[in-house]
Amino acid sequence: AQRVTQPEKLLSVFKGAPVELKCNYSYSGSPELFWYVQYSRQRLQLLLRHISRESIKGFTADLNKGETSFHLKKPFAQEEDSAMYYCALSGFNQGGKLIFGQGTELSVKP
Amino acid sequence: DTEVTQTPKHLVMGMTNKKSLKCEQHMGHRAMYWYKQKAKKPPELMFVYSYEKLSINESVPSRFSPECPNSSLLNLHLHALQPEDSALYLCASSPTGGGPRVEQFFGPGTRLTVL
Repeated sequence: AQRVTQPEKLLSVFKGAPVELKCNYSYSGSPELFWYVQYSRQRLQLLLRHISRESIKGFTADLNKGETSFHLKKPFAQEEDSAMYYCALSGFNQGGKLIFGQGTELSVKP
Repeated sequence: DTEVTQTPKHLVMGMTNKKSLKCEQHMGHRAMYWYKQKAKKPPELMFVYSYEKLSINESVPSRFSPECPNSSLLNLHLHALQPEDSALYLCASSPTGGGPRVEQFFGPGTRLTVL
């Protein structure tokens, strides 16, 4: 079964601390993995995708096929990083369907 | 124009009303999507249009009726909704007709309240 699991519903850190949002997936094949972010009262937007291997707003994510994980990391969290983060998966022959995890709310305290 | 727009921003309707949600994009994208999102939950896919044809219907009740009049426009017609249908309705688009390596661009959503 295709599934994306984000084990933490809420993650609270202090400004300047490292942050890691966990994402594990289940998919038979080679999926495309994404991280989407939804800031308060703003639209859902793409943060990262695994094939681009970029760093956006200081965030990085590495696809680990052995552990079927795609954790999101940032070495020094900022208050403006506070948002809902969704890990999502897209597979071949899925018609573009995105399978979302349940989301992790990141709260960065001053 | 590099955004997906949605109107109205807010909608309050009674259970006997008929209303429509509108979504527009002028990025030349060929796939468009409707999602339903409850507070602090992930978006749930409802419909996918690929090259103006309905390609996915996630077993959505018939009180929701999608329409894609052209490649830039997507409507969601609502009739006889229930209070549990109250949610944020998101529209999204992507460049090609639903491939796996394609980013979806989301609109700001319409906040629907059914009384």
